[in-house]
Amino acid sequence: GAVVSQHPSRVICKSGTSVKIECRSLDFQATTMFWYRQFPKQSLMLMATSNEGSKATYEQGVEKDKFLINHASLTLSTLTVTSAHPEDSSFYICSARALSGANVLTFGAGSRLTVL
Amino acid sequence: GNSVTQMEGPVTLSEEAFLTINCTYTATGYPSLFWYVQYPGEGLQLLLKATKADDKGSNKGFEATYRKETTSFHLEKGSVQVSDSAVYFCAFTRSAGGTSYGKLTFGQGTILTVHP
Repeated sequence: GAVVSQHPSRVICKSGTSVKIECRSLDFQATTMFWYRQFPKQSLMLMATSNEGSKATYEQGVEKDKFLINHASLTLSTLTVTSAHPEDSSFYICSARALSGANVLTFGAGSRLTVL
Repeated sequence: GNSVTQMEGPVTLSEEAFLTINCTYTATGYPSLFWYVQYPGEGLQLLLKATKADDKGSNKGFEATYRKETTSFHLEKGSVQVSDSAVYFCAFTRSAGGTSYGKLTFGQGTILTVHP
């Protein structure tokens, strides 16, 4: 079946540094990927929609300069948390929708970011 | 606005007990409804879905029926196992297809623990 690989699964960084998280579709092409953020004991909140070859669409309240999204190919989208601060510590998870257009979404395993 | 309300957890059951996790939604139009499961340390996996009123989604002994009149999609299982211990998320997407299909609105999640 469709598999989405997310890397790294865990990352710890110092405040002020930038962290890049990759979301890769392994056996299918994805024109659209979605990035979510999950706070402890809370639900997932959609941050942005990543479209291959075009700018990401951000949800209201999400800082686009803070959370840079790049979708350079049909199999890879990256989320870069710039100048990270402790309040950015969270669980980030991506999902991908296949190019075929079928209504199938595949989620990655998530990346836990801890900013010290 | 659009939202999903899930039964608050945690839910603790003995093996072979009956499970119900309530989910109600607020959305315009005809959303597609989902249940996702998140096992410890893993990403979200689609458990079941329903795309129109009165549809019943089922998988691995779990069932949920799309009730438009009560805007509900309650998850049930007749006999739970220890391996069912996980976090369960109810979600919907307003779009039946197209590029917005993957924009999911999630409930807050319900932690289920099943004891032997």
